[in-house]
Amino acid sequence: ETGVTQTPRHLVMGMTNKKSLKCEQHLGHNAMYWYKQSAKKPLELMFVYNFKEQTENNSVPSRFSPECPNSSHLFLHLHTLQPEDSALYLCASSHGQGTNTEAFFGQGTRLTVV
Amino acid sequence: AQKVTQAQTEISVVEKEDVTLDCVYETRDTTYYLFWYKQPPSGELVFLIRRNSFDEQNEISGRYSWNFQKSTSSFNFTITASQVVDSAVYFCALSTFMEYGNKLVFGAGTILRVKS
Repeated sequence: ETGVTQTPRHLVMGMTNKKSLKCEQHLGHNAMYWYKQSAKKPLELMFVYNFKEQTENNSVPSRFSPECPNSSHLFLHLHTLQPEDSALYLCASSHGQGTNTEAFFGQGTRLTVV
Repeated sequence: AQKVTQAQTEISVVEKEDVTLDCVYETRDTTYYLFWYKQPPSGELVFLIRRNSFDEQNEISGRYSWNFQKSTSSFNFTITASQVVDSAVYFCALSTFMEYGNKLVFGAGTILRVKS
């Protein structure tokens, strides 16, 4: 069982669809993250959750809506996306408050918006 | 603002050659953390090393070694006797102290191709 698991691995959706990405971590961490990796941009932090509370929103458009029901699960709800939102979406987790330990990443969801 | 520069977009070597991946960072904070990650074709980022700003000791782990120099704001990564399995994208990253969690700023990555 891997530390951070993301589903689905691949997703194709139309611009009018609503879909959700799921992330689950089995590492006992308290902080979880969404990162976006586009073809021509460095990895970008989207959201940070610490003990289920959102502590960072990196100016992400509202068509991306995160949800963190508990410290082990993180979702990214998607609606009315644009083709430029096609990217690899990576989830990560780490120890939380007061530490700067390394983050562990999932394998990502490859999203294609058509 | 924090910034990480990986000037080498792509490097190709032949198996058993040594290769060094460069990383230069910018930050005004006195306490910060540097990381290297490996991204194989499967997509996940694999953690390789973390270094604290107050610890300039170089580190060696098997065929991997890291050279941290605050004077030049560099944190370079060397693979000795490279192997085909080392082929991947390598990312250098920086984070500064946050009260909650971790906020990584990544470089653009260096694609390493090791040919047999």
